[in-house]
Amino acid sequence: KQEVTQIPAALSVPEGENLVLNCSFTDSAIYNLQWFRQDPGKGLTSLLLIQSSQREQTSGRLNASLDKSSGRSTLYIAASQPGDSATYLCAVGTDNTGKLIFGQGTTLQVKP
Amino acid sequence: GAVVSQHPSRVICKSGTSVKIECRSLDFQATTMFWYRQFPKKSLMLMATSNEGSKATYEQGVEKDKFLINHASLTLSTLTVTSAHPEDSSFYICSTRKGYNEQFFGPGTRLTVL
Repeated sequence: KQEVTQIPAALSVPEGENLVLNCSFTDSAIYNLQWFRQDPGKGLTSLLLIQSSQREQTSGRLNASLDKSSGRSTLYIAASQPGDSATYLCAVGTDNTGKLIFGQGTTLQVKP
Repeated sequence: GAVVSQHPSRVICKSGTSVKIECRSLDFQATTMFWYRQFPKKSLMLMATSNEGSKATYEQGVEKDKFLINHASLTLSTLTVTSAHPEDSSFYICSTRKGYNEQFFGPGTRLTVL
Protein backbone atom coordinates (compact mmCIF):
# COMPACT_ATOMS: atom_id res chain seq x y z
CA LYS A 1 0.00 0.00 0.00
CA GLN A 2 1.41 3.35 -1.03
CA GLU A 3 2.10 5.78 1.77
CA VAL A 4 3.20 9.38 1.37
CA THR A 5 5.05 11.30 4.06
CA GLN A 6 6.02 14.93 4.23
CA ILE A 7 8.65 16.28 6.57
CA PRO A 8 8.72 18.69 8.29
CA ALA A 9 5.09 19.21 9.26
CA ALA A 10 5.75 22.90 9.77
CA LEU A 11 8.48 25.30 8.77
CA SER A 12 9.13 28.95 9.53
CA VAL A 13 11.74 30.94 7.63
CA PRO A 14 12.66 34.59 7.16
CA GLU A 15 11.80 36.25 3.90
CA GLY A 16 14.34 35.76 1.15
CA GLU A 17 15.54 32.32 2.15
CA ASN A 18 15.70 29.42 -0.23
CA LEU A 19 14.00 26.36 1.16
CA VAL A 20 13.30 22.71 0.42
CA LEU A 21 10.18 20.74 1.24
CA ASN A 22 10.42 16.96 1.30
CA CYS A 23 8.04 14.26 0.20
CA SER A 24 8.70 10.52 0.41
CA PHE A 25 6.67 7.58 -0.82
CA THR A 26 6.95 3.89 -0.06
CA ASP A 27 6.28 2.35 -3.48
CA SER A 28 8.50 3.55 -6.31
CA ALA A 29 6.06 2.36 -8.99
CA ILE A 30 4.27 5.66 -9.39
CA TYR A 31 2.43 7.15 -12.36
CA ASN A 32 3.07 10.78 -11.51
CA LEU A 33 3.57 13.14 -8.60
CA GLN A 34 1.91 16.49 -8.11
CA TRP A 35 2.65 19.36 -5.73
CA PHE A 36 -0.17 21.56 -4.49
CA ARG A 37 -0.57 24.65 -2.40
CA GLN A 38 -3.48 25.10 0.00
CA ASP A 39 -4.34 28.34 1.73
CA PRO A 40 -6.37 28.13 4.98
CA GLY A 41 -9.97 27.13 4.32
CA LYS A 42 -9.42 27.01 0.58
CA GLY A 43 -9.08 24.42 -2.13
CA LEU A 44 -5.86 23.21 -3.70
CA THR A 45 -3.84 25.02 -6.33
CA SER A 46 -1.72 22.86 -8.60
CA LEU A 47 1.91 23.94 -8.60
CA LEU A 48 3.86 21.32 -10.50
CA LEU A 49 3.22 17.93 -12.04
CA ILE A 50 6.06 15.47 -12.60
CA GLN A 51 5.47 12.43 -14.77
CA SER A 52 7.13 9.19 -13.69
CA SER A 53 9.60 9.45 -16.57
CA GLN A 54 10.70 12.95 -15.60
CA ARG A 55 13.32 14.05 -13.10
CA GLU A 56 12.20 17.61 -12.45
CA GLN A 57 9.84 20.42 -13.34
CA THR A 58 10.24 24.16 -12.91
CA SER A 59 7.80 27.03 -12.69
CA GLY A 60 9.07 30.45 -11.74
CA ARG A 61 10.69 30.26 -8.32
CA LEU A 62 9.58 26.67 -7.85
CA ASN A 63 11.47 23.57 -8.79
CA ALA A 64 10.30 20.04 -8.07
CA SER A 65 12.48 16.99 -8.41
CA LEU A 66 11.63 13.32 -8.49
CA ASP A 67 13.81 10.34 -7.60
CA LYS A 68 11.68 7.25 -7.94
CA SER A 69 14.37 4.81 -6.94
CA SER A 70 14.75 6.41 -3.53
CA GLY A 71 11.05 7.24 -3.24
CA ARG A 72 11.58 10.96 -2.85
CA SER A 73 10.50 14.27 -4.26
CA THR A 74 11.55 17.73 -3.20
CA LEU A 75 9.98 21.12 -3.79
CA TYR A 76 12.53 23.91 -3.89
CA ILE A 77 11.30 27.45 -3.34
CA ALA A 78 13.76 30.19 -4.19
CA ALA A 79 13.82 33.60 -2.56
CA SER A 80 10.80 32.94 -0.38
CA GLN A 81 8.19 35.66 0.14
CA PRO A 82 5.48 36.16 2.77
CA GLY A 83 2.93 35.36 0.08
CA ASP A 84 4.38 31.86 -0.12
CA SER A 85 2.99 31.13 3.33
CA ALA A 86 0.58 28.21 2.93
CA THR A 87 0.38 24.45 3.31
CA TYR A 88 2.17 22.50 0.61
CA LEU A 89 0.91 19.04 -0.25
CA CYS A 90 2.45 16.39 -2.40
CA ALA A 91 0.31 13.70 -3.96
CA VAL A 92 1.28 10.50 -5.72
CA GLY A 93 -0.70 9.09 -8.61
CA THR A 94 -0.27 5.33 -8.54
CA ASP A 95 -1.82 4.61 -11.95
CA ASN A 96 -3.76 6.26 -14.76
CA THR A 97 -7.08 6.14 -12.89
CA GLY A 98 -6.40 9.57 -11.46
CA LYS A 99 -6.47 8.51 -7.83
CA LEU A 100 -4.07 10.52 -5.71
CA ILE A 101 -2.55 9.61 -2.38
CA PHE A 102 -1.68 12.68 -0.38
CA GLY A 103 0.95 13.43 2.18
CA GLN A 104 0.04 15.27 5.36
CA GLY A 105 1.45 18.52 4.10
CA THR A 106 4.07 21.01 5.25
CA THR A 107 2.78 24.30 6.62
CA LEU A 108 5.17 27.06 5.63
CA GLN A 109 5.38 30.46 7.23
CA VAL A 110 7.59 33.08 5.64
CA LYS A 111 8.20 35.97 8.00
CA PRO A 112 8.72 39.49 6.63
CA GLY B 1 -5.16 24.88 -16.02
CA ALA B 2 -8.80 24.14 -15.44
CA VAL B 3 -11.50 25.92 -13.51
CA VAL B 4 -13.56 23.97 -11.02
CA SER B 5 -16.31 25.45 -8.89
CA GLN B 6 -18.16 24.09 -5.88
CA HIS B 7 -21.44 25.12 -4.38
CA PRO B 8 -22.12 25.88 -1.63
CA SER B 9 -18.84 27.01 -0.13
CA ARG B 10 -20.18 26.60 3.36
CA VAL B 11 -23.24 24.85 4.77
CA ILE B 12 -24.58 24.29 8.26
CA CYS B 13 -27.35 21.76 8.75
CA LYS B 14 -29.15 19.91 11.46
CA SER B 15 -28.42 16.29 12.26
CA GLY B 16 -30.56 13.95 10.18
CA THR B 17 -30.93 16.18 7.16
CA SER B 18 -29.36 15.63 3.74
CA VAL B 19 -26.99 18.03 2.06
CA LYS B 20 -26.10 18.25 -1.62
CA ILE B 21 -22.78 19.62 -2.81
CA GLU B 22 -22.21 20.50 -6.46
CA CYS B 23 -18.94 20.33 -8.35
CA ARG B 24 -18.72 21.93 -11.77
CA SER B 25 -16.03 21.81 -14.40
CA LEU B 26 -16.35 25.25 -15.98
CA ASP B 27 -14.03 25.13 -18.95
CA PHE B 28 -13.86 21.55 -20.16
CA GLN B 29 -15.87 18.38 -20.17
CA ALA B 30 -14.89 16.03 -17.38
CA THR B 31 -15.77 12.38 -17.74
CA THR B 32 -14.20 11.73 -14.37
CA MET B 33 -14.33 13.73 -11.17
CA PHE B 34 -13.03 12.87 -7.74
CA TRP B 35 -14.41 13.59 -4.29
CA TYR B 36 -12.09 14.06 -1.33
CA ARG B 37 -12.62 14.69 2.34
CA GLN B 38 -10.27 16.63 4.58
CA PHE B 39 -10.36 16.67 8.36
CA PRO B 40 -8.85 19.61 10.29
CA LYS B 41 -5.08 19.63 10.06
CA LYS B 42 -5.20 16.36 8.13
CA SER B 43 -4.53 15.41 4.59
CA LEU B 44 -7.04 14.68 1.86
CA MET B 45 -8.63 11.27 1.63
CA LEU B 46 -10.17 10.09 -1.61
CA MET B 47 -13.79 9.11 -1.10
CA ALA B 48 -14.92 8.13 -4.57
CA THR B 49 -14.41 8.48 -8.28
CA SER B 50 -17.37 9.95 -10.10
CA ASN B 51 -17.88 8.65 -13.64
CA GLU B 52 -20.16 10.43 -16.09
CA GLY B 53 -23.10 8.27 -17.03
CA SER B 54 -22.24 5.38 -14.74
CA LYS B 55 -22.00 4.47 -11.09
CA ALA B 56 -19.37 6.01 -8.89
CA THR B 57 -16.48 3.94 -7.60
CA TYR B 58 -16.13 4.20 -3.85
CA GLU B 59 -12.97 3.74 -1.83
CA GLN B 60 -12.81 1.11 0.84
CA GLY B 61 -14.59 2.15 3.99
CA VAL B 62 -16.76 4.81 2.33
CA GLU B 63 -20.48 4.10 2.58
CA LYS B 64 -22.05 4.52 -0.83
CA ASP B 65 -25.55 4.83 0.64
CA LYS B 66 -24.33 7.56 2.94
CA PHE B 67 -22.48 9.55 0.31
CA LEU B 68 -24.51 9.51 -2.88
CA ILE B 69 -22.71 10.61 -6.00
CA ASN B 70 -24.35 11.55 -9.27
CA HIS B 71 -22.46 12.54 -12.42
CA ALA B 72 -25.27 13.20 -14.86
CA SER B 73 -23.41 15.51 -17.21
CA LEU B 74 -19.87 16.14 -18.35
CA THR B 75 -19.67 19.32 -16.31
CA LEU B 76 -21.48 18.47 -13.09
CA SER B 77 -21.02 15.96 -10.30
CA THR B 78 -22.98 16.08 -7.06
CA LEU B 79 -22.26 14.61 -3.66
CA THR B 80 -25.20 14.16 -1.31
CA VAL B 81 -24.51 13.48 2.34
CA THR B 82 -27.60 11.65 3.50
CA SER B 83 -28.90 11.74 7.08
CA ALA B 84 -25.95 13.82 8.12
CA HIS B 85 -24.47 13.49 11.58
CA PRO B 86 -21.90 15.61 13.43
CA GLU B 87 -19.13 13.18 12.49
CA ASP B 88 -19.79 14.00 8.83
CA SER B 89 -18.66 17.55 9.48
CA SER B 90 -15.65 18.09 7.28
CA PHE B 91 -14.18 19.91 4.31
CA TYR B 92 -15.25 18.27 1.04
CA ILE B 93 -13.25 18.98 -2.12
CA CYS B 94 -13.77 17.79 -5.66
CA SER B 95 -11.30 17.60 -8.50
CA THR B 96 -11.19 16.97 -12.20
CA ARG B 97 -8.35 16.03 -14.47
CA LYS B 98 -7.47 16.70 -18.06
CA GLY B 99 -6.55 13.57 -19.91
CA TYR B 100 -4.58 11.26 -17.67
CA ASN B 101 -2.54 13.87 -15.96
CA GLU B 102 -2.81 17.03 -13.94
CA GLN B 103 -5.66 17.38 -11.49
CA PHE B 104 -7.45 20.58 -10.65
CA PHE B 105 -9.37 21.13 -7.47
CA GLY B 106 -12.43 23.09 -6.52
CA PRO B 107 -12.45 25.61 -3.66
CA GLY B 108 -14.05 23.14 -1.26
CA THR B 109 -17.24 23.01 0.80
CA ARG B 110 -17.18 23.30 4.57
CA LEU B 111 -19.96 21.16 6.05
CA THR B 112 -20.97 21.60 9.68
CA VAL B 113 -23.61 19.29 11.10
CA LEU B 114 -25.15 20.42 14.35
